[in-house]
Amino acid sequence: EDKVVQSPLSLVVHEGDTVTLNCSYEVTNFRSLLWYKQEKKAPTFLFMLTSSGIEKKSGRLSSILDKKELFSILNITATQTGDSAIYLCAVVKGRGSQGNLIFGKGTKLSVKP
Amino acid sequence: DGGITQSPKYLFRKEGQNVTLSCEQNLNHDAMYWYRQDPGQGLRLIYYSQIVNDFQKGDIAEGYSVSREKKESFPLTVTSAQKNPTAFYLCASSPAPYEQYFGPGTRLTVT
Repeated sequence: EDKVVQSPLSLVVHEGDTVTLNCSYEVTNFRSLLWYKQEKKAPTFLFMLTSSGIEKKSGRLSSILDKKELFSILNITATQTGDSAIYLCAVVKGRGSQGNLIFGKGTKLSVKP
Repeated sequence: DGGITQSPKYLFRKEGQNVTLSCEQNLNHDAMYWYRQDPGQGLRLIYYSQIVNDFQKGDIAEGYSVSREKKESFPLTVTSAQKNPTAFYLCASSPAPYEQYFGPGTRLTVT
């Protein structure tokens, strides 16, 4: 059975801390891995990772994929209260033009001032 | 403005009633998806559609139905057969089976 497991499920840090969120997966027909940030409502897209070892960066956020060990990490440096959200990891699976996302349960990050 | 709209934002229904959630997109995306989100459960796929007039069951399709008569629209009906319908429902669309763009969601409460 396909699964995507995120850890930790929740995390409380103080502003300025650096955090690492983990996502491991066991999925057949893996195509890519996505990270989303969900605040009060709809998830917003952060990164798409397809190749191993290539770091994607956007400001204080960065992410990398390890296709051999089947995991990805999302790093946030110098955290701010605005980083408080649920971070969702999803794996795209499927062949050809078909493809679906399998989501992890998310990591709830709370950044205290 | 391009995007995905879902309506209504909040919906209240009595047990035993069917209810239809709206999802519209003007992004010209072929694929559309419905997810359900419960606390601590992440997002679970209900139904998806890759093209007009075609749709497939996701992981938790029981008690739900959909239609895809137009590219822009993918309404979801929560039927009385769905045992635990109270949840946050998210619609998404995608130009390809990769990055998905989400609507703002509908919070359904059934009492």
